[in-house]
Amino acid sequence: NAGVTQTPKFRVLKTGQSMTLLCAQDMNHEYMYWYRQDPGMGLRLIHYSVGEGTTAKGEVPDGYNVSRLKKQNFLLGLESAAPSQTSVYFCASSTPDWGLRKQYFGPGTRLTVT
Amino acid sequence: SQQGEEDPQALSIQEGENATMNCSYKTSINNLQWYRQNSGRGLVHLILIRSNEREKHSGRLRVTLDTSKKSSSLLITASRAADTASYFCAGGSEKLVFGKGMKLTVNP
Repeated sequence: NAGVTQTPKFRVLKTGQSMTLLCAQDMNHEYMYWYRQDPGMGLRLIHYSVGEGTTAKGEVPDGYNVSRLKKQNFLLGLESAAPSQTSVYFCASSTPDWGLRKQYFGPGTRLTVT
Repeated sequence: SQQGEEDPQALSIQEGENATMNCSYKTSINNLQWYRQNSGRGLVHLILIRSNEREKHSGRLRVTLDTSKKSSSLLITASRAADTASYFCAGGSEKLVFGKGMKLTVNP
């Protein structure tokens, strides 16, 4: 039982390049989330999904797209990377139980955009 | 916008002492959660308290919730060097909103 895994662990992009971050969970969770963590800012929600085929915007969605084609996977895409997207990205998953929705986090992807 | 604000932002104590962290939040919640993050790692869930609960215990952790003051506290008793980490409170209803975090250092 691997929990939540993220690929890749590190990446360096040049401004304007694109990339996709992959998140996979093996806990059969309905809900999945993408966050970014910046120094002094805590975690901010980028996008989330409440089920296969559905996605919704979080607090800071601009510049990112997501897809949830399979229940166990949640992809985060950067179409044209910018230096402001330099951050650590975390994926998380949870059950949908109202009031009991504790989240399970992946190890993170450290992205640097030059 | 952050839901929770942890206080203090940094705390340094000696092994064996108790550590208390406070969290204030802004909007209504149906639960308040605490997470730990070791350096370079993902967040790990510690404890969840529902809005209709006032206190909860789990091992060396004690969390309280005061919905009238929109505040919560996390107490770690008999701290260990391994408790050194950043701690986040998170609250919400539909989505969790995380605070900025608090760094705890436990000196051996």
